[in-house]
Amino acid sequence: QVQLVESGGGVVQPGRSLRLSCAASGFTFSSYAMHWVRQAPGKGLEWVAVISYDGSHKYYGDSVKGRFTISRDNSKNTLYLQMNSLRPEDTAVYYCARESYGAEFFDLWGRGTLVTVSS
Amino acid sequence: QSALTQPASVSGSPGQSITISCTGTSSDVGGYNYVSWYQQHPGKAPKLMIYDVSNRPSGVSDRFSGSKSGNTASLTISGLQAEDEADYYCSSYTSSSTRVFGGGTKLTVL
Repeated sequence: QVQLVESGGGVVQPGRSLRLSCAASGFTFSSYAMHWVRQAPGKGLEWVAVISYDGSHKYYGDSVKGRFTISRDNSKNTLYLQMNSLRPEDTAVYYCARESYGAEFFDLWGRGTLVTVSS
Repeated sequence: QSALTQPASVSGSPGQSITISCTGTSSDVGGYNYVSWYQQHPGKAPKLMIYDVSNRPSGVSDRFSGSKSGNTASLTISGLQAEDEADYYCSSYTSSSTRVFGGGTKLTVL
């Protein structure tokens, strides 16, 4: 079954760190670029970061640059998002999404994991 | 990385057609044919509806269509149905190799 399953969300204090994971199954994970997209409660989608299929290229949204790090382990079919120096405005559902092969759109999404940054 | 501009809300009656606009710049929407549209129902993950401006994935109704002129892309839904009521987001590739979403449009089927 082709799917993405996020985990690692929870409640964390401002300034602390959290690592999200996204487990991929049912497809050749190592062939696809992968993204993180987030959605604050009641708000719209915000693109967070992308990593190339082999991990050699990474790009970030301005709001997370320097604080978040995207990575992947193709041997474990898993995508990660290391989030440091968390702020209340980082509170959101975080989705991982697959970039369609050789294209620039998201053709597969996970169900998301909720991160709440609060003291 | 400013968000693409979409109307906050649109509405239409069953059977009617509606169009949602998505305005960017020459560095994103206007510079590439890489605009995609996503439908999101409450509490659900987004679903791809249109890619590369005007292409429909298999399984998406042909009532959904996309187009682009200059820095503005559009999503048209014809023959509105109750199940079309959802939030819709446009997205574009950018000249910085990043991606950007629109602010989202809430579609109400009256």
